[in-house]
Amino acid sequence: GAVVSQHPSWVICKSGTSVKIECRSLDFQATTMFWYRQFPKQSLMLMATSNEGSKATYEQGVEKDKFLINHASLTLSTLTVTSAHPEDSSFYICSARPTTGGAGELFFGEGSRLTVL
Amino acid sequence: QKEVEQNSGPLSVPEGAIASLNCTYSDRGSQSFFWYRQYSGKSPELIMSIYSNGDKEDGRFTAQLNKASQYVSLLIRDSQPSDSATYLCAVAGGSTLGRLYFGRGTQLTVWP
Repeated sequence: GAVVSQHPSWVICKSGTSVKIECRSLDFQATTMFWYRQFPKQSLMLMATSNEGSKATYEQGVEKDKFLINHASLTLSTLTVTSAHPEDSSFYICSARPTTGGAGELFFGEGSRLTVL
Repeated sequence: QKEVEQNSGPLSVPEGAIASLNCTYSDRGSQSFFWYRQYSGKSPELIMSIYSNGDKEDGRFTAQLNKASQYVSLLIRDSQPSDSATYLCAVAGGSTLGRLYFGRGTQLTVWP
């Protein structure tokens, strides 16, 4: 099956630093990718829709200057958490939909666990 | 965010029993519905998708959809300990394909 790779799988950083998470579709092209955040025992909360070659679309309440998304190619989207603080500690998951795929054809990355000290 | 509500559980059933998971959603215009299974610390994996009213069966899993009631459910027959996980209901939102809104999930434990 299709594979979506996220890197790093876990990261620990100091408060105030920035962290970049990569989401890569390994064997298909994805015009659209999605970024989610999940706190312990909570739901996956959609943060933004990443669009190849254009600006990301952020969900209401998500700070676009805090969570920078870049989708420079059809196989790579990056999420940068800028000036991270302890409250940004969470499990970040991306998903990617093949450009030629149907509505339900969606593949998730393995997730990236961020801990901000 | 679209609202997707699930019975929070946790739900505990003996091996071989039927586990019933429920979900309601707020957007009456939603057309696509999904059930995902998530093991602790892992990303979700798709179990079932359903788009039309009625039942859809796949092996031990049956999804049921009632758009008039804005209700979708998942039945797991002959539950196995390996089914123990958190089950997430997801509803497609907006015009962007693949854009999903998730419920909080129901934690299921199947005991031997």
